[in-house]
Formats: sequence, structure tokens, C-alpha cells
Amino acid sequence: AQTVTQSQPEMSVQEAETVTLSCTYDTSESNYYLFWYKQPPSRQMILVIRQEAYKQQNATENRFSVNFQKAAKSFSLKISDSQLGDTAMYFCAPSYSGAGSYQLTFGKGTKLSVIP
Amino acid sequence: EAGVAQSPRYKIIEKRQSVAFWCNPISGHATLYWYQQILGQGPKLLIQFQNNGVVDDSQLPKDRFSAERLKGVDSTLKIQPAKLEDSAVYLCASSLDGETGAYNEQFFGPGTRLTVL
Repeated sequence: AQTVTQSQPEMSVQEAETVTLSCTYDTSESNYYLFWYKQPPSRQMILVIRQEAYKQQNATENRFSVNFQKAAKSFSLKISDSQLGDTAMYFCAPSYSGAGSYQLTFGKGTKLSVIP
Repeated sequence: EAGVAQSPRYKIIEKRQSVAFWCNPISGHATLYWYQQILGQGPKLLIQFQNNGVVDDSQLPKDRFSAERLKGVDSTLKIQPAKLEDSAVYLCASSLDGETGAYNEQFFGPGTRLTVL
């Protein structure tokens, strides 16, 4: 079974500061994708950033970037210049091929609070 | 472009009652997913459809849960009879139908919060 571990149930950061959310996963798959999803209090799950496992270069998306360490099976999310709107639950979700299509496996999430 | 629609947004029922949730995916998306998200946890996949066929329902408690996707568009998830532990948010997501091995982003609906008393 695939497992995903987000070791920080809750975190807080001052507005404009930088914060890093950690994620480790366990898989025997060789080809997969990794995602960070954001779920604000309104509950709509939104994709933040995506990383293909076969790419060595870390993905970036504006203020969001990842540190992908394939050998260590680690996939952390860095949020720079934190904004109040970043307050949300953040889920790490590897995506593995199953039954002919890719499926997401979610971690338990990290609750991030951005403090004014 | 309209997103994934779900209804109702909230539902409160007594245990042993029945309940149904509806999902309308993004137009043109062939793959539809139902997730269960218990408070304090990440979403767990219940069932995956591709068009109107089931791709994976290995985590669906089939003794009480059922789902269908008639005509390959809308989908309904039903619980009968409900138990206290079914209290959760039920999320629907959809994605384009890509080639096998290719990834297509999943887009999520707002979810239905179910409370079983």
C-alpha cells in the first residue's frame, strides 16, 4: 500500500515570511507524479503545484516551490512571501498509476495559518 | 468554464436512513472520482469512473455504498443505511480522459458535508 506522511499537523507563519511544509511517501513505483493541494476553509480543493518524478528540476509556481528528493522520497513545499490567503489545509498527494489511470493518495494534511 | 458541481452542500440525517449525493463534472471530462474526507484526514478515493464504467471501486464499502454514472456524465453516490462513521465530506472530482500512463489534473467540487446523528 502507498503511504504518505505529513509530519506537521499544524504550522503558522508571519505574513510575508517563508514557510516549508514537509511530506514523505513510500512507493515502489518508478513513474509517478507528486502534487500539493490547498483546501481553504470553504473546502474547494485547489491544485497548488505539480512535479513529475522523472524530472530532476524542482517545480516552481510563483511564490510556491518544491524540494523534490526522489531517493529520499521527500517532497516539501515552500511558500515564500506568505499571504493571508494562503491560510488553508495543505495536502501532499502522490499520484500512482492504477487500473490504467493515475490516482491520488492524500496525506493527512498540514493546517497552515498565516498571521498578520 | 464551469467547475465541478455538487449538491446538496450539507445534509443531516439519522443513522439507518438513506442519502444520495449528486455530482456534475466539468463538461468533456470523462473520468469522475468520489472521495470521502473524514474530519482531520485527507480525502480517500471511494470509486473512479471512466465514462460510465467503473475503473476502481476497491475502497467502496459495497454493503452500504453504491454509485452510478449513467450516460457517462452526472453521477450519484448513495449510502443506505447510513452509520455514524459515515459523517464526512464527500468530494467529487473530474479529469480529462488521457492516454493510459498520461496524467490529467483532477478538478474538485465544493463537496457535500454529511452529518449522521
